[in-house]
Amino acid sequence: AQSVTQPDIHITVSEGASLELRCNYSYGATPYLFWYVQSPGQGLQLLLKYFSGDTLVQGIKGFEAEFKRSQSSFNLRKPSVHWSDAAEYFCAVGPSGGSYIPTFGRGTSLIVHP
Amino acid sequence: NAGVTQTPKFRVLKTGQSMTLLCAQDMNHEYMYWYRQDPGMGLRLIHYSVGEGTTAKGEVPDGYNVSRLKKQNFLLGLESAAPSQTSVYFCASSSRTGAGGELFFGEGSRLTVL
Repeated sequence: AQSVTQPDIHITVSEGASLELRCNYSYGATPYLFWYVQSPGQGLQLLLKYFSGDTLVQGIKGFEAEFKRSQSSFNLRKPSVHWSDAAEYFCAVGPSGGSYIPTFGRGTSLIVHP
Repeated sequence: NAGVTQTPKFRVLKTGQSMTLLCAQDMNHEYMYWYRQDPGMGLRLIHYSVGEGTTAKGEVPDGYNVSRLKKQNFLLGLESAAPSQTSVYFCASSSRTGAGGELFFGEGSRLTVL
């Protein structure tokens, strides 16, 4: 069964600092990987996704993520955080191979200090 | 461009009352999902549908029923609401799973059961 682990429940950074949110997955084949962001009071919005090819993927709002098969990781990064990036971030393994159900991590709450 | 629309956005119920949450999508998506989100629990799948007229149980289906009579609509019903069903409910849709289709989310419906 596929699973996703986001080891950090909360992350606090200062505005302008760099950011890395961790995501580890368990999946038997090549995974389809996603990062979603949830602003307060909103639904989830796709930041970026990895299906195949280049292991470094670019997303919206200046985010990027790197797929590392050897580490079963798909960490999200941003070189300089803005106050508006404060939100909940979810990593997910996409449905594939006959499964209709994506698997989400429990989320990481990003707090940005001015 | 409405995307995924959930109604109502807020609702307060008394224990034992019934209600229905409506999810409508205008993207002609095959797959639709209902999740609940509780603090520290991430997203938990309640029910999902892989096409018009089909439904299936997710991780936490007890106390809920669903129907997908029309492709664009996915209804979530609570027959006898309990305080444990106080939560934020999210509907999502996806065009396909074979290629790990991303999910599009509604803005959520906040339900309080007294």
